[in-house]
Amino acid sequence: QVQLQQRGAGLLKPSETLSLTCVVSGAAFSGYYWSWIRQTPGKGLECIGEIDHNGGHNLNPSLQSRVTMFLDTSKNEFSLKLTSVTAADTAMYYCAGGHRGNHDYWGQGVLVTVSS
Amino acid sequence: DIQMTQSPSILSASAGDRVTISCRASQSVGSWLAWFQQKPGKAPNLLIYKASVLQSGIPSRFSGSGSGTEFTLTISSLQPDDFAAYFCQQYDTYPYTFGQGTKLEIK
Repeated sequence: QVQLQQRGAGLLKPSETLSLTCVVSGAAFSGYYWSWIRQTPGKGLECIGEIDHNGGHNLNPSLQSRVTMFLDTSKNEFSLKLTSVTAADTAMYYCAGGHRGNHDYWGQGVLVTVSS
Repeated sequence: DIQMTQSPSILSASAGDRVTISCRASQSVGSWLAWFQQKPGKAPNLLIYKASVLQSGIPSRFSGSGSGTEFTLTISSLQPDDFAAYFCQQYDTYPYTFGQGTKLEIK
């Protein structure tokens, strides 16, 4: 049974860096794609980026200048950093994984609030 | 980015009804289309991928069809557990994009 467990800070001030980690159990990194997705009531679901087991990745052009994604195969986890956050980055952040684009598995979500 | 447009935004129905949700892409996505169900406070759950392939463990009352730019999710006989939000998502071109969602509510 594949499980994704997220951790990371939920309250940030403007200009700080969002940092989230997703720990994967029950699945190997090989063959899967690992993603970060966020959701707001206004903009809906938005793909931030995806990374494969070789470290190759796609990033949303609207965010790519501020986004870093990386995976640590020794710890079975992958991570997201989003720099210079603003109120517009307030959202529920999910990690997800599975076959390309399918998002078979999801983390529980972390609500990130950016407020001074 | 490829725009995904769902209709209707809200759908009122009763248990036992057959319902259909539509999803239109701004350009062809082939069959690279997935459908998700989301309940309040929970992450989305994959129902269908590659437009019509039922994800393991999903009841057979759910079905998907379409290709190119026009897609449909059908629930053949609504069960109480099906009242939730539904999203389509294209994964032909990154960034993958989602529809705005359809809220299926009890009539």
